[in-house]
Amino acid sequence: QSALTQPASVSGSPGQSITISCTGTNSDIGGYNYVSWYQQHPGKAPKLMIYDVSNRPSGVSNRFSGSKSGNTASLTISGLQAEDEADYYCSSYTSSTTYVFGTGTKVTVL
Amino acid sequence: EVQLVESGGGLIQPGGSLRLSCAASGFTFSSNWMHWVRQTPGKGLVWVSHINGDGSSTTYADSVKGRFTISRDSAKNTLYLQMNSLRDEDTAVYYCVRGGARSWNPFDYWGQGTLVIVSS
Repeated sequence: QSALTQPASVSGSPGQSITISCTGTNSDIGGYNYVSWYQQHPGKAPKLMIYDVSNRPSGVSNRFSGSKSGNTASLTISGLQAEDEADYYCSSYTSSTTYVFGTGTKVTVL
Repeated sequence: EVQLVESGGGLIQPGGSLRLSCAASGFTFSSNWMHWVRQTPGKGLVWVSHINGDGSSTTYADSVKGRFTISRDSAKNTLYLQMNSLRDEDTAVYYCVRGGARSWNPFDYWGQGTLVIVSS
């Protein structure tokens, strides 16, 4: 199972919106609405930010939103803040009953 | 409060074996799928394996199939990963991760990870 494809880096100024893409195949993203997004700060464990394409767990800011079209999922961070600077990973359930993560995107707040 | 605490990592020679443990608390352990996810230092996340609530169903990534075995002990609220025939490329931080009641549920709680270094 190949990793999902994400841009290596995305940057934005405070207050701006950014979008991170995550591209897979019909066997993962395109076949299921089980896409999730994780935020990871340096030296820390990942944190669930979005699940089932567009749902936010309790406690996650509504500045984070998710969507999907075909084989590509997206995470949008609006009103970018300094604390949003981190690595972000997408993940999808697959037709093999396994999971695949994205290659990861480093978000920089300028 | 959900807590997942991994242990058992360390330095091991290629071809060796190691068993990781994950002590779980703060939730009904037998109700959740549990996973192991690894991360090579400075690189991305890779799903390794999962097991259902009663331990009757397991799945592995192709890269570890036949070498790693996931198991759980509900009496001890503990998840395990037995790693045999270790290779250099197995070097990583291994995270114990809680899933949901269904296999496709997201990874909602993560431990802090335990570092495994495979090197001669």
